[in-house]
Amino acid sequence: DIQMTQSPSSLPASLGDRVTITCRASQDIGNYLRWFQQKPGKSPRLMIYGATNLAAGVPSRFSGSRSGSDYSLTISSLESEDMADYYCLQSKESPFTFGSGTKLEIK
Amino acid sequence: QVQLKESGPGLVQPSQTLSLTCTVSGFSLTSNSVHWVRQPPGKGLEWVGAIWSGGSTDYNSALKSRLSISRDTSKSQVFLKMNSLQTEDTAIYFCTRALTGLDYWGQGVMVTVSS
Repeated sequence: DIQMTQSPSSLPASLGDRVTITCRASQDIGNYLRWFQQKPGKSPRLMIYGATNLAAGVPSRFSGSRSGSDYSLTISSLESEDMADYYCLQSKESPFTFGSGTKLEIK
Repeated sequence: QVQLKESGPGLVQPSQTLSLTCTVSGFSLTSNSVHWVRQPPGKGLEWVGAIWSGGSTDYNSALKSRLSISRDTSKSQVFLKMNSLQTEDTAIYFCTRALTGLDYWGQGVMVTVSS
């Protein structure tokens, strides 16, 4: 199975900060990488697909990038509504695998 | 309007079988895959399995021996059956299209494994 190593597990940050969350794939997944946001008590929300494509309705302060086997989600200027858990997912091959998650919280 | 809705028992006894239904509307199961994702209380997301548009299935490696996903296209329903339930299977179970398609999720159903 493909392993997705996500870091950090917790990210304290201030409003207005630029923040980056990273997932490293254990083998080649091309651009089959999605990012999800989840707020307490809610279903996850798709933020990024194809490693770099913004999902419908997602603010432009979110972006996705790839460098080799490292995939990143960046928020250019943190807003209060962005405080949530974030997960990466590889959908290159079954079984699909999620990263372990990052809790983004106010410093 | 695309919708997915999970249903099933909230409480299952250890060693018993879990049966969940995902009822969909607004799209065809023969053109779209549906995935199951679960989340134990306070923990992360775990991919459970999927049924693809052609009817084939894939499963989480750790759950494969206990898991079955099927569908009834005439009723627009996808079924999850997992046997030999353990307390570690306590989780919110979601059905979703968002892992390979557009961002649609059910609201999730909480399943507690307890005697």
